[in-house]
Order: sequence, then C-alpha cells, then structure tokens
Amino acid sequence: GAGVSQSPSNKVTEKGKDVELRCDPISGHTALYWYRQSLGQGLEFLIYFQGNSAPDKSGLPSDRFSAERTGGSVSTLTIQRTQQEDSAVYLCASSTQTANYGYTFGSGTRLTVV
Amino acid sequence: SQKIEQNSEALNIQEGKTATLTCNYTNYSPAYLQWYRQDPGRGPVFLLLIRENEKEKRKERLKVTFDTTLKQSLFHITASQPADSATYLCAQEGAGNMLTFGGGTRLMVKP
Repeated sequence: GAGVSQSPSNKVTEKGKDVELRCDPISGHTALYWYRQSLGQGLEFLIYFQGNSAPDKSGLPSDRFSAERTGGSVSTLTIQRTQQEDSAVYLCASSTQTANYGYTFGSGTRLTVV
Repeated sequence: SQKIEQNSEALNIQEGKTATLTCNYTNYSPAYLQWYRQDPGRGPVFLLLIRENEKEKRKERLKVTFDTTLKQSLFHITASQPADSATYLCAQEGAGNMLTFGGGTRLMVKP
C-alpha cells in the first residue's frame, strides 16, 4: 500500500483480556519494527523483523508480549492478560533492508486498558 | 548500551527566526543519525539522515550537522514558521538497522 497501515486505531480493553494489534507495512519493505510510546514519552523499542524472522526480541517488556510476521508482510503484536501499564500508543514502522531512507511509521494503535 | 539525549524542555521561538535543536549520543558511535518530526496523534515522519562522514546535510529550510568529536548532532530550521511547530526526534542506528530514539524536543513557533 501507499503507507503503513495499523489497526485498530483505538482499542479499549478490560484488564486481563488479550489484544491483537495489526500492522500492514509498505509493500516491498523487508524490515518491520514495533515501538511503544507512552503519553509524553519517547519511543520504546519492542521488536523488529527482517523478513519473517525476529533477530532481536529483547525489547519485549514481558512474556505476555509476542509478535509474528507472515509472508514477509503483515505483522501482529499480541498482548496477553493486559495490564493497565500496557496502556500506550503502539507504533509500527517499516523500511528497506538498509533503512537509508528512514522508517515509515503508521499512525499507531492507541491502547487503553481499563 | 546506546543512549541518545535531547533537551526535554520545549523550545519557543518567534516566527522567522532559526530554531536549533540538539541531540547528544553516548557510548556507541553510530554510522548515521536520523531526524524525525512528530505531530500530536501521528506517527513520526522521516526528515533527514546524516552519515558519520558527512559534516552537514541540507534539505530546503532544514540543516543537520554531525560532530563525531562532540558526539552531537544539531538540527536547524531556518526562517521558521508556525507550521513547523511539532516534536522533533533524533535517532541513532544500532544492530539490524534498529533505531534508538531520543525523547524528542517540542518546538513552538509563535507568529
């Protein structure tokens, strides 16, 4: 597509429920990244994919967080048993393999855990 | 570990003046730095990339410098306009092209 698409744009969930966030990157971008941004804070790295592989999972905050990417395209970030501290904007970005032209970000999913 | 710092205080300037934002990095020396603009409720938008062997890079009213001795990058907006008001993020590359972002500096340009 023309840009990085994320869905849903907003999600309100009850504490303890599981949520799934979706990212559709720019066609042909081999690299895909997930970041989290809490209110008024900077971007916190979560995980990145080169193709379907995730070489670095060190940024995932806990084992409640997981992510996968299939077909070198769409990625889903799953948060199990959500907690209030998971409330944030989850941003997805994609880039070419070398990222020489920067990342292209989606508009994010605003997750609110009540 | 990588650490990248930006002035967390908002920068307020008058329209027409030059805005200068600072980005400092520690430890690991990146091969390049990137600058992004973020508006409220939106994802960051890529502006410029500068490599370690480039002292300066320009794009329209934007200018970025990279001083590997000071471990610092400066981001300038000349002839600033109210539409330039946003948060500006600096980022350095790490393993696998993964970027580490600074906390951002909010710029307010007053008419």
